[in-house]
Amino acid sequence: SQQGEEDPQALSIQEGENATMNCSYKTSINNLQWYRQNSGRGLVHLILIRSNEREKHSGRLRVTLDTSKKSSSLLITASRAADTASYFCATEGGNYQLIWGAGTKLIIKP
Amino acid sequence: GAGVSQSPRYKVAKRGQDVALRCDPISGHVSLFWYQQALGQGPEFLTYFQNEAQLDKSGLPSDRFFAERPEGSVSTLKIQRTQQEDSAVYLCASSSYPTGPNQPQHFGDGTRLSIL
Repeated sequence: SQQGEEDPQALSIQEGENATMNCSYKTSINNLQWYRQNSGRGLVHLILIRSNEREKHSGRLRVTLDTSKKSSSLLITASRAADTASYFCATEGGNYQLIWGAGTKLIIKP
Repeated sequence: GAGVSQSPRYKVAKRGQDVALRCDPISGHVSLFWYQQALGQGPEFLTYFQNEAQLDKSGLPSDRFFAERPEGSVSTLKIQRTQQEDSAVYLCASSSYPTGPNQPQHFGDGTRLSIL
């Protein structure tokens, strides 16, 4: 079963614009992770935010976490064509297991 | 190699055949995970190894699925008497957990299995 739900399911924007994706989850977590998956490839870890953190940055990525609302957002600034991919959130609830959402498919138009 | 390696990348089998999928994790990674990913969906957990011990196989869909990691490095996922609903991408990931908390998982490119 999948815990996370990403929103929107698909997003198409112009190159240079910012892209925001949201993730909601159901149970308490130790951390929440965002991954990127290019078509036909495996998942690449982008960023991990712990449950006691509210915001984290990595390059053009900004992740927020609101544990009271059980939600997270991923912002990609100044998007590039190479950012075209599916983005997944995954939560870890105190054991080794990651519970995944269905992903947001991001298309960056040149 | 530096990353997680999976083979074969593509596998086509007839219904009823047995298949074996291989995963070579990052050297030294204690934890190894298998996931099944249907088209357009996120990964679904299948099983977890810590070294050679299979600590959790609760995600395996049926007793036709079997995984092993006999020496704590390479792992094989075997599916017996394949069915059409087994068609999916099978992903392997490794991590250095439990040597430290909050460790990311490192994924291979997966094996795309098609059952005819």
